[in-house]
Amino acid sequence: SQELEQSPQSLIVQEGKNLTINCTSSKTLYGLYWYKQKYGEGLIFLMMLQKGGEEKSHEKITAKLDEKKQQSSLHITASQPSHAGIYLCGAFTGGGADGLTFGKGTHLIIQP
Amino acid sequence: DSGVTQTPKHLITATGQRVTLRCSPRSGDLSVYWYQQSLDQGLQFLIHYYNGEERAKGNILERFSAQQFPDLHSELNLSSLELGDSALYFCASSVLAYNEQFFGPGTRLTVL
Repeated sequence: SQELEQSPQSLIVQEGKNLTINCTSSKTLYGLYWYKQKYGEGLIFLMMLQKGGEEKSHEKITAKLDEKKQQSSLHITASQPSHAGIYLCGAFTGGGADGLTFGKGTHLIIQP
Repeated sequence: DSGVTQTPKHLITATGQRVTLRCSPRSGDLSVYWYQQSLDQGLQFLIHYYNGEERAKGNILERFSAQQFPDLHSELNLSSLELGDSALYFCASSVLAYNEQFFGPGTRLTVL
């Protein structure tokens, strides 16, 4: 089955700094999703990437999909306290109507 | 607010009992997915229903079952509960399979 490995597992960043979170798949990616979760709460949809080389931005968050490396990166520019939380990448294994496989998540803490 | 609602928010029960979790998808969404999130296993896909029919199963135990009703709301039934079933249970909905999935706030199940 497909596995998604996220790095780093946790990240402490000073407010205003940039940061990058990576998500690497053990198999071919058929679509990559990024979500944000506050502890114990629901997942907030951030972005979906479907094609190799695709890049999407929303406010200060940019995500890219590198199909050849089977990897996606999430970049936050000028981090703010509101960016704190757990970032999860998810992907379809492909070939059926199954659900998303998720990485273990990256815990992001923003220091004022 | 994703538009997906789940009830109850919290559920505390004893081992051996049976519980039912309820999910109402976003208006217009035909697909409902159920996920389980625990500290040791992370976020795992359980089952997917599309327009009333089961489409795919993930890591769902035989003690667990689900259904989607004509009004598209879904229920997840958990029986013969064990301590290890304590987790956050999320449902997510999407218009079609492979579209963005929007998550509900979750039901926190505690089995004592």
